[in-house]
Amino acid sequence: DAMVIQNPRYQVTQFGKPVTLSCSQTLNHNVMYWYQQKSSQAPKLLFHYYDKDFNNEADTPDNFQSRRPNTSFCFLDIRSPGLGDAAMYLCATSGKGQGAFGYTFGSGTRLTVV
Amino acid sequence: QKEVEQNSGPLSVPEGAIASLNCTYSDRVSQSFFWYRQYSGKSPELIMSIYSNGDKEDGRFTAQLNKASQYVSLLIRDSQPSDSATYLCAVTGTYKYIFGTGTRLKVLA
Repeated sequence: DAMVIQNPRYQVTQFGKPVTLSCSQTLNHNVMYWYQQKSSQAPKLLFHYYDKDFNNEADTPDNFQSRRPNTSFCFLDIRSPGLGDAAMYLCATSGKGQGAFGYTFGSGTRLTVV
Repeated sequence: QKEVEQNSGPLSVPEGAIASLNCTYSDRVSQSFFWYRQYSGKSPELIMSIYSNGDKEDGRFTAQLNKASQYVSLLIRDSQPSDSATYLCAVTGTYKYIFGTGTRLKVLA
């Protein structure tokens, strides 16, 4: 089945230690998104790729970076995680139209910072 | 003013009843509207989309859109305990896709 896969499901990292979360998709969607969701809050868009074009949200901290080496894969790098970065990180994809027909989400990665 | 507003709940309904979830949005040029269901600790799952004024039905779910009032709602008929989740409203705004904070629904057996 076509899908969006995030690895790992759970990630524990030490304060200040770089961490990378991964997302892959078999939907051949042009657009890939990274969202951060904290408890009882709306998902917050960090950035998205439209094909190879990177679009950063104005309020996304510099601590967060992303790479999209090809259509199928997208990575979220957190250079120096702080306690406030503990959250669920959601990868989503959409076809052309930037979400006009809805997103497909991966299962998420729950990040814990110790 | 929040761009997409939802009552956080919890909204409690008895099993078999109709659950009514509401959402208002501020961007008048919004074109596409979505409801996602999110179980605790899981990722959102798209359950309904609606693009034009009126009602759209899919099984037990009905989405209603009123662009003049900037209002979108979700009705769940014959609510089941398995419907207990947080329901996120999402709207495509002028520049991006905006989520509400969600309404937590509890269906009581």
